[in-house]
Amino acid sequence: EIVLTQSPATLSLSPGERATLSCRASQSISDFLAWYQQKPGQAPRLLIYDTSDRATGIPARFSGSGSGTDFTLTISSLEPEDFAVYYCQQRSKWPLTFGGGTKVEIK
Amino acid sequence: QVQLVESGGGVVQPGRSLRLSCAAFEFTFNNYAMHWVRQAPGKGLEWVAVISSDGSHSYYADSVRGRFTISRDNSKGALFLQMSSLRAEDTAVYYCAKNYFGGSGSYSSPLDYWGQGTLVTVSS
Repeated sequence: EIVLTQSPATLSLSPGERATLSCRASQSISDFLAWYQQKPGQAPRLLIYDTSDRATGIPARFSGSGSGTDFTLTISSLEPEDFAVYYCQQRSKWPLTFGGGTKVEIK
Repeated sequence: QVQLVESGGGVVQPGRSLRLSCAAFEFTFNNYAMHWVRQAPGKGLEWVAVISSDGSHSYYADSVRGRFTISRDNSKGALFLQMSSLRAEDTAVYYCAKNYFGGSGSYSSPLDYWGQGTLVTVSS
């Protein structure tokens, strides 16, 4: 199965700062990568699909990039509601797999 | 507003069975593949299974294949997960989730709507 490795595990930043999250795949997944946000006690929320397409209602401060095996989620200027855990997910091959998550916490 | 509502979780002994349900509202249910994804306490997300929009095809994670069965009733807008031979490591919140892409051939997809989850605890 395709393993997704997210880094860093924890990112400590202040509101207004830029967040850069990484997701690396164990083999090429083309652009079939999505990003989700999860807050405590809530279900995941789709942010980005197919590397760079924002899901409905997602603010423009969230953007995605990459291809092949290396992908990035960027939050251009952190808002208080953005502090959460972020997961990447690939849909290139079965089984669908998720990364281990990056927690973005308030510094 | 799309809504997914899971039910059926609870405490169950190892080796026993449990059936989860997910009721879907406000979208054309029979046009979308549906998934189950689980999350062990304090852990990350693990994809469990998918079923095609017409129910004719399904895929499973290796960890549950042969023990879990995904099914759906399009006439009722309902998704199910029959879990048998449960193990302690199956303890998790189980989410049902909707395929972002519609159509009969789109199983592999981002997941755009998720239920609130139902907790399954496997313990003696």
